[in-house]
Parts: sequence; C-alpha cells; structure tokens
Amino acid sequence: ELVMTQSPATLSVSPGERATLSCRASQSVSSNLAWYQQKPGQAPRLLIYDVSTRAAGIPARFSGSGSGTEFTLTISSLQSEDFAVYYCQQYNNWITFGQGTRLEIK
Amino acid sequence: EVQLVESGGVLVKPGGSLRLSCAASGFTFSNAWMTWVRQAPGKGLEWVGRIKSKTDGGAIDYAAPVKGRFTISRDDSKSTLYLQMNSLKPEDTAVYYCTTESGFLEWLGRGQGTMVTVSS
Repeated sequence: ELVMTQSPATLSVSPGERATLSCRASQSVSSNLAWYQQKPGQAPRLLIYDVSTRAAGIPARFSGSGSGTEFTLTISSLQSEDFAVYYCQQYNNWITFGQGTRLEIK
Repeated sequence: EVQLVESGGVLVKPGGSLRLSCAASGFTFSNAWMTWVRQAPGKGLEWVGRIKSKTDGGAIDYAAPVKGRFTISRDDSKSTLYLQMNSLKPEDTAVYYCTTESGFLEWLGRGQGTMVTVSS
C-alpha cells in the first residue's frame, strides 16, 4: 500500500506569516497529488490538485509544489480562516490520504 | 445548485447492515465517477471505494478493509449513489461522505456526510 506521511502533525504559526506543510509518499505518485482543507464540523474542501493547480475559488496565497515523493503546501500569509486541518492525497495508485497536519494559531 | 447530500446513517449493532444514499443535483451525475470516503471520530480521511461512470465502464473498486462487506452502486436515473454496508464492525463507525472523483475528490455543496455508529 502506498503510504502518505505528513509533517509536522501540528504547526503553530502567527497570522500573516507563511506556513509550509510537507507530504511524503512511500513511492512515486508522479504529479497525482492533491491537498484538502477541513474545518471542524465541515466536509473537506479541495484546495490543490495535480500538485500545483488551485481549485476553483481558492485564493492565490495557497500554492503547491513538489514531484515524485516530496510535496509541499505553502500558505503565503495566513488569514484567520486558514487555521484548519490539511490533508494530502495521492491518486496515482488507488487513493490514500496523509494523516493530516493541524495548523493552529500561535 | 451543485450538491451532494448523504443520508441513511444510524446506530446499528455489530454484524448488522445499512444502506447509505447520496443524492446528487446540479451536474450530470451519469458522467461522474463517484467515491465514498469516511472519517472516524477525531481521525483522518479514509477512502472506501469508487464507482466509475457507465460510459467509462462502470468498474467498482474497494479499499481492503471493506472489500467483501460493502457494495457501491448507482442509479443514474435518480442521480443517486448508494453504499450497502454488511457485516458491520465497530471500526466502521465514521462519518461517510460521497464525492465526485477525477483522481482528486470534490465535495460539492454543503453536504455534511452521514454518521454511522456501530455499537452494541
């Protein structure tokens, strides 16, 4: 099974600062990598697909990068509404998710 | 309005059965690949399975933990996706979401998922 590992588990950042979230695949997933945001009591929301393509309506402060097995989600200037849990997901070999990174206010 | 609305979640005893539904609207359901994802309380996301559109062959795939116990189906005339869950186990307790799939997943509308609790 293709395992996705996210780090860190929890990230504390101040509003206005940059946040960098990491996702590692146990084998190459090519460019078949997506990121999701989930707030308490809500369904996840697609942010990024194909590593770096923002989904409709997603602000430009969200960006994705990487290839193969190492991927990064960057939020350039954190807004209050960005504090949430973020998941990466590969769709190169079935579908698997990372365990999530909780982004909290510092 | 584009949306997916899940229903059918209840409290059920171990070994029991349940059928979840997902009503779609606002898009051409028959052309969509559809996926079930679940989330145990306080835990992360887990892919349950998918069904392709009939035009793409209609193949159905399942995650290992549910294979042989769960069945995904669709009724394109009703724009509805189903998840038949048999031989339920406590570890199946979760919120179940339906999504469209293009590899990546899209949760459409304001669907909150449907909660399935397996407990005696």
